[in-house]
Amino acid sequence: QVQLQESGPGLVKPSETLSLTCTVSGGSISSYYWSWIRQPPGKGLEWIGYIYYSGSTTYNPSLKSRVTISVDTSKNQFSLKLSSVTAADTAVYYCARVLKTGDLAIAFDCWGQGTLVTVSS
Amino acid sequence: SYELTQPPSVSVSPGQTASIPCSGDKLGNKYACWYQQRPGQSPVLVIYQDSKRPSGIPERFSGSNSGNTATLTISGTQAMDEADYYCQAWDSSTGVFGGGTKLTVL
Repeated sequence: QVQLQESGPGLVKPSETLSLTCTVSGGSISSYYWSWIRQPPGKGLEWIGYIYYSGSTTYNPSLKSRVTISVDTSKNQFSLKLSSVTAADTAVYYCARVLKTGDLAIAFDCWGQGTLVTVSS
Repeated sequence: SYELTQPPSVSVSPGQTASIPCSGDKLGNKYACWYQQRPGQSPVLVIYQDSKRPSGIPERFSGSNSGNTATLTISGTQAMDEADYYCQAWDSSTGVFGGGTKLTVL
């Protein structure tokens, strides 16, 4: 059964770049879309974007100017970079696998445990 | 931008049926899915493609989607079903979540 694990710094300074990596185990990263989702403390879920194993990406328009998602198939990993962070970017960040039918994304069927990233000086 | 609206809270007595609505413009023309999130845990997919259950999800969870509203129904609600529930859909390849509904079993 596929498992996802987020890793990266838990504290980032304002105006700097948040960087996280998701390692996929128990299955190949190929032939799937992979996504990042975040949840501010006590609030709801926000989709950040997804990447296909081939490298093509789609981002949330509200974050698009600051987000980069990349994939490393040799390591079975994909990564998130969010630039110019502020306190509003403080959240639990989840990586997730995208369930699809054909080329149509339909749901997130497998999630990592999440990692809290705090933006503070 | 596309929006999905859920009531902040729903209450149900044990053994009764809980219904959680999710509304969005022409939502019935899209696939809706639902996630359960217990405190301190990651979300779990409980319904996808409007009404399909992933492996391991109890039969008491069901879903429907028509017009502007998708609905998650939990039959014979148990105490363990107390959690936050989020609907989600895709609009022009963009993932959109509802604001979440806290289900209280009392």
